[in-house]
Amino acid sequence: EAQVTQNPRYLITVTGKKLTVTCSQNMNHEYMSWYRQDPGLGLRQIYYSMNVEVTDKGDVPEGYKVSRKEKRNFPLILESPSPNQTSLYFCASSEYRDRYNEQFFGPGTRLTVL
Amino acid sequence: QKEVEQDPGPLSVPEGAIVSLNCTYSNSAFQYFMWYRQYSRKGPELLMYTYSSGNKEDGRFTAQVDKSSKYISLFIRDSQPSDSATYLCAMRVDTGRRALTFGSGTRLQVQP
Repeated sequence: EAQVTQNPRYLITVTGKKLTVTCSQNMNHEYMSWYRQDPGLGLRQIYYSMNVEVTDKGDVPEGYKVSRKEKRNFPLILESPSPNQTSLYFCASSEYRDRYNEQFFGPGTRLTVL
Repeated sequence: QKEVEQDPGPLSVPEGAIVSLNCTYSNSAFQYFMWYRQYSRKGPELLMYTYSSGNKEDGRFTAQVDKSSKYISLFIRDSQPSDSATYLCAMRVDTGRRALTFGSGTRLQVQP
C-alpha cells in the first residue's frame, strides 16, 4: 500500500529535550515536505526537499532541522523544543514532475512541549 | 493579512443539500488551485485540482476558479454524512519550490 508513515503519532516532551519525528514514504517520491498545522492558521511549510541531500527552508523553519540522506526518509529534528512548537505536524511527499504536485500526507504527529 | 482566506465554519447542512465552500486569495501569481479533504485525526487528501481559471467536475464535486476575482469555490452536490470533514483550499505559484499555501479550512457537518 502506497503510504507516508510518521512516528511517533503522539509525543509529550519538555522544553529543551531534543527530539526527532521520523517520516518515511514508499512511493519513490523525490519531493518531501514538513508542515505544521495550527488552529486558524492552516498548514504552513517548515522545510522541503526536492531530492536526496537537497533541502531548503519553507515559511516557518526557525527551531527545526531536517536531513535527507535517503530518498524514502525525511526526519524532522527539534534540537531544543519550546512550547510554541506545540502543534500538529504532517509529513508529505509527491512526484516532483507532477505539475500539480499532489502531495500525499502522513497521518500526523501531535506534539506537546511543556 | 493572510494570503489565503477561508471561512472556518462550522457549516452544518442536511443530507442531500448542495454545499458551497469558498476561498479568496491575494497573490495574483497563484496558478495551481487545489481542494484537500481532512477527516478528523487524519492527514489531508487531495480532492480536486485545477490550473488557472475555469471549472472542473468530478462526480458530485465541482471546483471553480475565478482569477479575476481571486476567488475559488468547491461545490458538493447531494451531500452525504460521509462528506463531513474539514475542507482546505490550497494554491501555489509555478516555481521549483512547489510550496502550497493553504487556507485555514472549513469544517463541514452533513446531518443525516
